Amino acid sequence: AQSVTQPDIHITVSEGASLELRCNYSYGATPYLFWYVQSPGQGLQLLLKYFSGDTLVQGIKGFEAEFKRSQSSFNLRKPSVHWSDAAEYFCAVGPSGAGSYQLTFGKGTKLSVIP
Amino acid sequence: GAVVSQHPSRVICKSGTSVKIECRSLDFQATTMFWYRQFPKQSLMLMATSNEGSKATYEQGVEKDKFLINHASLTLSTLTVTSAHPEDSSFYICSAGQVYEQYFGPGTRLTVT
Repeated sequence: AQSVTQPDIHITVSEGASLELRCNYSYGATPYLFWYVQSPGQGLQLLLKYFSGDTLVQGIKGFEAEFKRSQSSFNLRKPSVHWSDAAEYFCAVGPSGAGSYQLTFGKGTKLSVIP
Repeated sequence: GAVVSQHPSRVICKSGTSVKIECRSLDFQATTMFWYRQFPKQSLMLMATSNEGSKATYEQGVEKDKFLINHASLTLSTLTVTSAHPEDSSFYICSAGQVYEQYFGPGTRLTVT
């Protein structure tokens, strides 16, 4: 069965500092990988996704992620964090099977930003 | 594009009553929608997969008779929490699938008193 591990429950960075959120996955085939962001009391917004091709993926809000098959990782990065980036970040892997859209989510990493 | 709405955003109901939550895909047709439940400071827990024109597929441990799902059209799925109890209080989020991507609604905060 597929799974996603986000090792860091909570990360605090200073505004302007760089950021890396870790994500490791377990999946039997080539995965589809996603990063979502959730602000308090809100739904999830897709930051970026990887399906195939270039392993460095660019997303919205200045985020990028790199797929490393050898490490089963899909870490999210941002060179300079803004206070508005404070939120919960979820990594997800899918699909669960042919023709299925079901995703498996990690437990999330909460990002706090110090002004 | 790919906008999903939920209604209501917040609802408070009394114990024993039922409440319906709507999930709509506004600018695309969704043959598949998902319903999630999220407890405070936790990840999303998939409750069920809703397929247009057929019965929903529930995850293990989710009570089918308590959480009724109807996907009557390609743009609307509803979740009805029947005979709600305080332990059903949670944040419910729907999503609509399109080509291996899911687009999420803004969520519904249910409080049962």
